[in-house]
Amino acid sequence: DTEVTQTPKHLVMGMTNKKSLKCEQHMGHRAMYWYKQKAKKPPELMFVYSYEKLSINESVPSRFSPECPNSSLLNLHLHALQPEDSALYLCASSQTGQGASNQPQHFGDGTRLSIL
Amino acid sequence: GESVGLHLPTLSVQEGDNSIINCAYSNSASDYFIWYKQESGKGPQFIIDIRSNMDKRQGQRVTVLLNKTVKHLSLQIAATQPGDSAVYFCAEGSRSSGTYKYIFGTGTRLKVLA
Repeated sequence: DTEVTQTPKHLVMGMTNKKSLKCEQHMGHRAMYWYKQKAKKPPELMFVYSYEKLSINESVPSRFSPECPNSSLLNLHLHALQPEDSALYLCASSQTGQGASNQPQHFGDGTRLSIL
Repeated sequence: GESVGLHLPTLSVQEGDNSIINCAYSNSASDYFIWYKQESGKGPQFIIDIRSNMDKRQGQRVTVLLNKTVKHLSLQIAATQPGDSAVYFCAEGSRSSGTYKYIFGTGTRLKVLA
């Protein structure tokens, strides 16, 4: 079991649907991350939140909309996705925040997303 | 753009032998490096990390070596076991926008032969 919980584990949606991915951690970490991982590829960074503020957006299309309601929760809102967006979406958290020393990330097991 | 790691190779080792997995990085501003293990259907799992002011760090059965001169990182696994079979990623961390940004290498699949 991981300390970062992602729901749902699997999601199938059509290109016109709106859905959300959820991530939760209770380790007191102040940095949270979204990654996209295609099969047999490394995770690719999408967004970084630090102290509930978006600090990095890796030029992700606007059909992906992140949200950090509080220090324990991270959402990824999906709308009008394309088939090529099918992937494993990973959430991670770390103690790293503004001015903090580096610490390793803790990952959830991801949401397997399939776009029909 | 910046990149970390080699094209995904597969390393096959006999059970009980030592394994060495290599990684190259290109961002000279990176000052923190992590090795992750990813098993099928799971997220990456932290193995060991090293900061740029060190060149070697040891954990339980694992050792990470950092050569900043040639921007090279390696993970050594002693007495490799069947449970070590997985994909291994290195990741480099650098400060960006007041927080830390991590870029993953392409990964190495480790197969342990009985």
